[in-house]
Amino acid sequence: NAGVTQTPKFRILKIGQSMTLQCAQDMNHNYMYWYRQDPGMGLKLIYYSVGAGITDKGEVPNGYNVSRSTTEDFPLRLELAAPSQTSVYFCASSYSASSYNEQFFGPGTRLTVL
Amino acid sequence: GQQLNQSPQSMFIQEGEDVSMNCTSSSIFNTWLWYKQDPGEGPVLLIALYKAGELTSNGRLTAQFGITRKDSFLNISASIPSDVGIYFCAGQRGAQKLVFGQGTRLTINP
Repeated sequence: NAGVTQTPKFRILKIGQSMTLQCAQDMNHNYMYWYRQDPGMGLKLIYYSVGAGITDKGEVPNGYNVSRSTTEDFPLRLELAAPSQTSVYFCASSYSASSYNEQFFGPGTRLTVL
Repeated sequence: GQQLNQSPQSMFIQEGEDVSMNCTSSSIFNTWLWYKQDPGEGPVLLIALYKAGELTSNGRLTAQFGITRKDSFLNISASIPSDVGIYFCAGQRGAQKLVFGQGTRLTINP
């Protein structure tokens, strides 16, 4: 199993550009999550999904969109990049929302918006 | 949003020393989790705690679920160079989403 994979690893965007951060998992997990990690801060939840076709907002959803057309993939879309979106983005997945089911994290995408 | 206060924010220690860090919350959690993040990687779960007062070990790591359910502690004994990284606590209530602390950055001088 590859676990949770994310692409790209690094990206620099200009203000106003758009991009999609890709996330895929091969563990047949129902739940998938997108977090952002700012320097010196913990992870903050952007969006999550409980299964294909179902998504919901997390703590900091503004400026982002997601879709979940398959169990495996959970892309995160930035439509109009802003400097405040400079961060490291982590995708995670778990079998369920129960605390007994570990969230597995991808390696992250480091995004800089200039 | 809900906050977890994790301290210290950073630690600089000598190899072989023991390490202690903690996490406190104004709210009660049913689960406390401790993660480690290596440079350039995502967080990896170290220890999960499910009951107030629970003490759980994973090798040289020991974590405790505070009796008030509002705090948790992580100890690392006899630190080694590969312990370097950022340690995060996270709290969860039932099926609610994880709330993360700010992290403790551990640096070890050989």
